[in-house]
Amino acid sequence: AQSVTQPDIHITVSEGASLELRCNYSYGATPYLFWYVQSPGQGLQLLLKYFSGDTLVQGIKGFEAEFKRSQSSFNLRKPSVHWSDAAEYFCAVDAGSGGYQKVTFGTGTKLQVIP
Amino acid sequence: EPEVTQTPSHQVTQMGQEVILRCVPISNHLYFYWYRQILGQKVEFLVSFYNNEISEKSEIFDDQFSVERPDGSNFTLKIRSTKLEDSAMYFCASSGLGQGKGANVLTFGAGSRLTVL
Repeated sequence: AQSVTQPDIHITVSEGASLELRCNYSYGATPYLFWYVQSPGQGLQLLLKYFSGDTLVQGIKGFEAEFKRSQSSFNLRKPSVHWSDAAEYFCAVDAGSGGYQKVTFGTGTKLQVIP
Repeated sequence: EPEVTQTPSHQVTQMGQEVILRCVPISNHLYFYWYRQILGQKVEFLVSFYNNEISEKSEIFDDQFSVERPDGSNFTLKIRSTKLEDSAMYFCASSGLGQGKGANVLTFGAGSRLTVL
């Protein structure tokens, strides 16, 4: 069965600093990978996705992620964090068959941004 | 931008009561889903629904749960007899039918928080 591990439960960074959130996955086939963000009291917003091709994918809000098959990783990065980036970030893998998605989420990483 | 809308945003109920959570998926989407997030835990898949039937369901989705698309726009999750452990945020999501899996991603609603007392 597929699984996603986010080893960092909570991360604090200074505004303007760079950010990297770690994600490791376990899945037997070629994975479809996602990063979602959840602001307090809000739903889940898709930041970016990887299906195939270029292993460095760009997303919204200046985020990017790099797929590394050899490390089973899909880490999320941002070169300069803004206070509005404070939220919870979820890595996810899609193991659905047919046309529908069956997304398995990691436990999330809460990002705190300090001035 | 099209949205998935959910009602109510928050519902408080007594243990043993029936609850119906409602969702309006994106209008041209064909796949519908419910996920749940217990406070402080990860988001978990409950069920997927396509062509008026369940495509897949998780172990969480037991006989107390049911889903329905009663008309052309709504998608509902019913919990027949709520338990304390059903307290969670329930997210509805939908996805389209594109050319291959890469064309489809889930669009989530803002969630319905259920509190069972």
